[in-house]
Amino acid sequence: AQKVTQAQTEISVVEKEDVTLDCVYETRDTTYYLFWYKQPPSGELVFLIRRNSFDEQNEISGRYSWNFQKSTSSFNFTITASQVVDSAVYFCALSEVYTGGFKTIFGAGTRLFVKA
Amino acid sequence: EPEVTQTPSHQVTQMGQEVILRCVPISNHLYFYWYRQILGQKVEFLVSFYNNEISEKSEIFDDQFSVERPDGSNFTLKIRSTKLEDSAMYFCASSPGQGESYGYTFGSGTRLTVV
Repeated sequence: AQKVTQAQTEISVVEKEDVTLDCVYETRDTTYYLFWYKQPPSGELVFLIRRNSFDEQNEISGRYSWNFQKSTSSFNFTITASQVVDSAVYFCALSEVYTGGFKTIFGAGTRLFVKA
Repeated sequence: EPEVTQTPSHQVTQMGQEVILRCVPISNHLYFYWYRQILGQKVEFLVSFYNNEISEKSEIFDDQFSVERPDGSNFTLKIRSTKLEDSAMYFCASSPGQGESYGYTFGSGTRLTVV
């Protein structure tokens, strides 16, 4: 069965520190997609990144980077030089494909506090 | 960039009342979804809809829930007799085609408060 584990419930850092948010997933499918979303206090889900199961290249986008390792079923997210505006809940999610489209399972989320 | 639009952004309803949450998916998308997030908890899958029928639903999606695509552009979630525990953020999402994850997009959510 699908499962997404974000073991870190809350992380608190001081501005300019680097922080890594962990995500471990379980799936029996060979084709799947991994996502990270940011949920600010206003409540919407802000898309950050998508990765498919065949693309293990790490990605960097500005201060954000992602490390996808199929061997350990992990898809970790690092924020470099964190800023107060990064404070939010971050969700890792796993989507499997089936005839009805996608079914996305979300992790429990990691609440990140960045203090000035 | 195309968006999934949800209205209203916040709805307050009395327990026992029917409520309809509305979504306008991205126009060329074929698959539609509803998710729910109880305050402080994870986002949970409710239902997916394709070709004018439900393609999958979770155990949360019981007989008090229904979905409809009434006019080819809107996608609605109806809760027949709301309970206090239905208070949550409801997210609509859409995707273009089977297996096409690019374009899989969530709306900004409707916060439902049942009093």
